[in-house]
This record gives sequence, structure tokens and C-alpha cells, in this order.
Amino acid sequence: DQQVKQNSPSLSVQEGRISILNCDYTNSMFDYFLWYKKYPAEGPTFLISISSIKDKNEDGRFTVFLNKSAKHLSLHIVPSQPGDSAVYFCAASESAGNNRKLIWGLGTSLAVNP
Amino acid sequence: SQTIHQWPATLVQPVGSPLSLECTVEGTSNPNLYWYRQAAGRGLQLLFYSVGIGQISSEVPQNLSASRPQDRQFILSSKKLLLSDSGFYLCAWRGREWRGEQFFGPGTRLTVL
Repeated sequence: DQQVKQNSPSLSVQEGRISILNCDYTNSMFDYFLWYKKYPAEGPTFLISISSIKDKNEDGRFTVFLNKSAKHLSLHIVPSQPGDSAVYFCAASESAGNNRKLIWGLGTSLAVNP
Repeated sequence: SQTIHQWPATLVQPVGSPLSLECTVEGTSNPNLYWYRQAAGRGLQLLFYSVGIGQISSEVPQNLSASRPQDRQFILSSKKLLLSDSGFYLCAWRGREWRGEQFFGPGTRLTVL
């Protein structure tokens, strides 16, 4: 049972436009959400996170929005650049002890076309 | 600053051979450590995690094992590799005081033939 779902396996966007990547989750106990970016044959790179007490977090061109009632979050990239082309993973965790495992989505492959 | 190392970067092994992948972290103490596998076209599957020396938790039944002989060293092993063990193996660490951010190494591409 996939607790974190990224329903779009791929997304194509023109350079300079907005990229919107979506993520849905099912576990209401999740209280922290993260986005990672991954290039082929490299480890994922942490991009941005958001706590469940917030509904928006912004870092430069990247903004994450959280809608707790809908159990939905999204990552906005504005403006999109060709270097943003990568696989983006959504992950979630709950504050259960020291472990804080991350539950991962399957990723969305973003292609930003010049 | 903290850095995480993994080696080797690529590995081609025959079926039935042993495996040892090593991960070390610098610049932090008492981290949580994680081993993940990414199969082709799939997401990240958590294999093992460790909250301290000698403490290993396994997430899925499999042909692999993990050990943490030192605070900042995490080893992934197998006595006999299977074809299905092929994939991209990633080590990650997390500081105890952080909410959830894990930081990943460069990965090892394992091909079992």
C-alpha cells in the first residue's frame, strides 16, 4: 500500500514557465514532508521541506504548498530552468521515536525544454 | 561540514558471489544511517537503518544484511548475490536533531550477472 503517491510519472514544461509537481499521502500521522531532486546515477539531493503546522514554505525558485485536509502537497518551481530536469521525489515522515523513517513516493520525472 | 562517502561507485559481480558495500560519514557524530535500493524505474526502497553502533533494523526480507561496526560506518553485505540484487544502492544519514532530512551518498551501481 503506497502511503505517498506521485501520480504523474513524468512532466514536461517549457523553460521559464512554472513546474508543478504533486504528491498525495494517506497517513494522517505524517507531520513532515520533503522534496528531493535526483539526477541519474547520483544520490538524491534535499530540496525543501515543510512541517504540518505550515501550509507554505518558500526557498528561492522553489515553493512547497501543503493542504492537510486534502492530504496533498505540491512543489512549484518558478521559473523552470533546463537544469531542473531530474526526477523529483516526495517523502513524508512522522515523529515516532528517534527513527523518523521517510516514506517515499515513486518520483516524477521533470523535463524542462529550452 | 558533513560528507558521506560510498564505494565502489560501480560493481559487476557474478551470481553467487559475496558483496560488501561501504558507507562512511564525516563531520557528524551518532547519526542515523540508512541503506536504500533503487531498482530500475522504481522509487527508493528502504533496506536497513541504524540508530547506533551494532543496532540494525531490517525493513524487508531479503538476501542482504547490514552492519555498523563504528559510529560513522555502515556496511551492506551479502554471502551469495542473486540476479534480483542488481540495482542502485544508496547510503544516507540523518542528524539526530533534525526533523527528517536525510542526506545521501553518491550511490553504488551493482550489476549481478
